[in-house]
Amino acid sequence: NAGVMQNPRHLVRRRGQEARLRCSPMKGHSHVYWYRQLPEEGLKFMVYLQKENIIDESGMPKERFSAEFPKEGPSILRIQQVVRGDSAAYFCASSFDRASTYGYTFGSGTRLTVV
Amino acid sequence: QKEVEQNSGPLSVPEGAIASLNCTYSDRGSQSFFWYRQYSGKSPELIMFIYSNGDKEDGRFTAQLNKASQYVSLLIRDSQPSDSATYLCAVNMGKGAQKLVFGQGTRLTINP
Repeated sequence: NAGVMQNPRHLVRRRGQEARLRCSPMKGHSHVYWYRQLPEEGLKFMVYLQKENIIDESGMPKERFSAEFPKEGPSILRIQQVVRGDSAAYFCASSFDRASTYGYTFGSGTRLTVV
Repeated sequence: QKEVEQNSGPLSVPEGAIASLNCTYSDRGSQSFFWYRQYSGKSPELIMFIYSNGDKEDGRFTAQLNKASQYVSLLIRDSQPSDSATYLCAVNMGKGAQKLVFGQGTRLTINP
């Protein structure tokens, strides 16, 4: 039973390029959450999605960042025109239902480095 | 006031002793509370959750919840060097309690 699958594990982008991070939730999970973790800091909520719907994007920067969770395929977090400050670990998590019951299962993360 | 606050540490505890980790939260309506462990360079893993006031024990771990004081704690008994990690407190918050808000984490070091 595969857990939450994220790819790539490491991603290097030059300033101004686009970064695409992918996340496949655990089988049977329909709730996906994206978090960002800067070095030596905690996890910061970015966005919560269900299939084809963005439920809560209160943590997403207003510009350059977008997320989707299509009917078929993985959830995608897209960062356009990356800047050095976007360098961080991006974690995806999934849950069977709203997190109030069982918490989340996290993927291994994507470490984004902007050079 | 931060939504979820933890002492960032580092907290240093001798092997075999009890490690005590604390967390406070701002939303009095929160109902679900979680402790995650994160090793350096790895992803967070869930180790305990608690919903009701009082204590909940699982092996060497005990979670304690006091909703009146908006306080959650994690005790680790018989600490082992392998317990050295960052411990993240998470609280269910938001409209309809749909997301976990994490504290900044407490770095714990168990000294042999």
